[in-house]
Amino acid sequence: EAGVVQSPRYKIIEKKQPVAFWCNPISGHNTLYWYLQNLGQGPELLIRYENEEAVDDSQLPKDRFSAERLKGVDSTLKIQPAELGDSAVYLCASSLTMSGYQYFGPGTRLLVL
Amino acid sequence: QKEVEQNSGPLSVPEGAIASLNCTYSDRVSQSFFWYRQYSGKSPELIMSIYSNGDKEDGRFTAQLNKASQYVSLLIRDSQPSDSATYLCAATSGGSNYKLTFGKGTLLTVNP
Repeated sequence: EAGVVQSPRYKIIEKKQPVAFWCNPISGHNTLYWYLQNLGQGPELLIRYENEEAVDDSQLPKDRFSAERLKGVDSTLKIQPAELGDSAVYLCASSLTMSGYQYFGPGTRLLVL
Repeated sequence: QKEVEQNSGPLSVPEGAIASLNCTYSDRVSQSFFWYRQYSGKSPELIMSIYSNGDKEDGRFTAQLNKASQYVSLLIRDSQPSDSATYLCAATSGGSNYKLTFGKGTLLTVNP
C-alpha cells in the first residue's frame, strides 16, 4: 500500500513569493490533515478535511494561507505571500476517518529567505 | 489552550536499559492518547495508542495511562540504538471538534 505522498520535498523561496504544496493521501482515507512543524516542536494542525469539506481550519492564517481538496482526494496548501516566519516543515497526514491513527507523508521543508 | 507537556530531554539510556518517557495533558475530557516516533529528518509514525486507565503492552513498548492524574507514559524495554528518536505524545480533544494535540516531543538517545 502506497503511503502519503507529498511534493515538493524541499522548497527555497524569497519572502513575498507564493508557494504551494501538494499532498496525495492513502487511497480510501477520507480525512486529510495539514500540519506545520517547527524545529523542536510537535506538529500543529493547520486544517482538517473530511472528504472535500474543511471541517477545522481555525488555526489556518487565512490572510496568507489557503487550502483546497478538490474531489476529496488530493489537496493543495498555498502560502501567498510567504514570510520569513513561514520557514518550517509542512506535513500532510491522512486517516480513514477522523482519528488519532494518522499516517504522515514525508513533509515539505520550506525555507523562506 | 489545550496542552500536552513533555520533557524535551534529551534522555540518554544505555543499550538494554528501560527508557521511560512521560507526558501530561491539560484537557480533562481527552479520551484517546497516542505515542508517535519521529526519527531525525523524518515524519512521525504511530507506535502506540491507549484509551483506558492502566497499561497496554505491545512488544517492547508499554503505554500507561492515569486519567485522574492526567498522565501518560511510554516505557521501552531492552532499549536499542535504533530506538533513538524523538517521541511525541498526543491527545485528542474532548467535545465534538475532534483534534489531535501533540507535545513538543522527548529526544531519546540509546547509547551502545
